Amino acid sequence: DVKVTQSSRYLVKRTGEKVFLECVQDMDHENMFWYRQDPGLGLRLIYFSYDVKMKEKGDIPEGYSVSREKKERFSLILESASTNQTSMYLCASRLPTTEAFFGQGTRLTVV
Amino acid sequence: TQLLEQSPQFLSIQEGENLTVYCNSSSVFSSLQWYRQEPGEGPVLLVTVVTGGEVKKLKRLTFQFGDARKDSSLHITAAQPGDTGLYLCAGGGRGSRLTFGEGTQLTVNP
Repeated sequence: DVKVTQSSRYLVKRTGEKVFLECVQDMDHENMFWYRQDPGLGLRLIYFSYDVKMKEKGDIPEGYSVSREKKERFSLILESASTNQTSMYLCASRLPTTEAFFGQGTRLTVV
Repeated sequence: TQLLEQSPQFLSIQEGENLTVYCNSSSVFSSLQWYRQEPGEGPVLLVTVVTGGEVKKLKRLTFQFGDARKDSSLHITAAQPGDTGLYLCAGGGRGSRLTFGEGTQLTVNP
């Protein structure tokens, strides 16, 4: 059973904190993605990675960074959390032309 | 940035009715995927369409890819409460990127 696992289902952080969201996949996929999901806006791509140590900005990278030191792990970092980063964060992985497999999501609240 | 527009954004119908959800873009996509998402979970793939004009059926769900590969539709026949969920279309473009539409929240009332 293929899996994408996100480290937390729910997180509450304070404004200004550095926040780490972790994602692990067990399918040996080259490509991994971080999206945020807000009502009425669908899934917006923050960053994606097509190989270890390789990354590319998505559509809304401001305020975020990522790290991919190992193929199976892709981390999203909020350098200084702000209230407008309160959202559902979804990690996904895929081979170049196949379906995307998603984690269960992390609902982050910044207070 | 390639954009996908879905309509309607919300749809509330009675069990047994038919419905169609649309996904449109001004850009050409190499493929288009439809996902369904339930509360508290990540999206799960329903179907991938690749060829312009392609039609795929999945039980009561019919998916169509436009001839020009810029648009797609999802038709559900005789909707059931179990069909309730958020339906998302996603277009494959440059590299491995997937661009998602805003989603259609479907509620099927018993």
